[in-house]
Amino acid sequence: SQQGEEDPQALSIQEGENATMNCSYKTSINNLQWYRQNSGRGLVHLILIRSNEREKHSGRLRVTLDTSKKSSSLLITASRAADTASYFCATDALPGRRALTFGSGTRLQVQP
Amino acid sequence: EAGVTQFPSHSVIEKGQTVTLRCDPISGHDNLYWYRRVMGKEIKFLLHFVKESKQDESGMPNNRFLAERTGGTYSTLKVQPAELEDSGVYFCASSRARGREKDTQYFGPGTRLTVL
Repeated sequence: SQQGEEDPQALSIQEGENATMNCSYKTSINNLQWYRQNSGRGLVHLILIRSNEREKHSGRLRVTLDTSKKSSSLLITASRAADTASYFCATDALPGRRALTFGSGTRLQVQP
Repeated sequence: EAGVTQFPSHSVIEKGQTVTLRCDPISGHDNLYWYRRVMGKEIKFLLHFVKESKQDESGMPNNRFLAERTGGTYSTLKVQPAELEDSGVYFCASSRARGREKDTQYFGPGTRLTVL
């Protein structure tokens, strides 16, 4: 798989359910960020987790990071129709290089 | 605080023509980045400015692409001459130079480029 590969590629759930998306990467990282892209629009920054952090919360979002497995997960609780979008993880590699490497994304569809 | 803005939102040109994309970063952000997503592929890094200096241009695909950031404010990305494979969405992002938020990159809405 490629650096920053998301799993699954597509996910369809009912409103109110939880959505979990996973991301795997290959090289050592400084940070991992999750972004959302609504159809045809720009990338919206959701959350950043540093390599020395294991879990982070922001509202209905929960992100975990396992550097030993080079993987991260994004959990959206109590999903809403407005959460329908594509979700991307992006990593920046050590040492201190700012360029982000993106995965191919997970397309989330929340049915009302 | 205004976000990252990009102009134009869409551009349709013919092969061989020149196109210039513009990005205005968030005010006060020294770091400016260009990325692109060509059809069916991942978002790829192109280059990174710190103020007016090119910090990392390892992602620039070839010498048909020229990025500038005169004065360290807005940036332009020129494609000359454009080829069919240049079609895609070009994103700009910016981030602070220091502080806790320095690693967070804020993206603009993108410019959709279509080369016919």
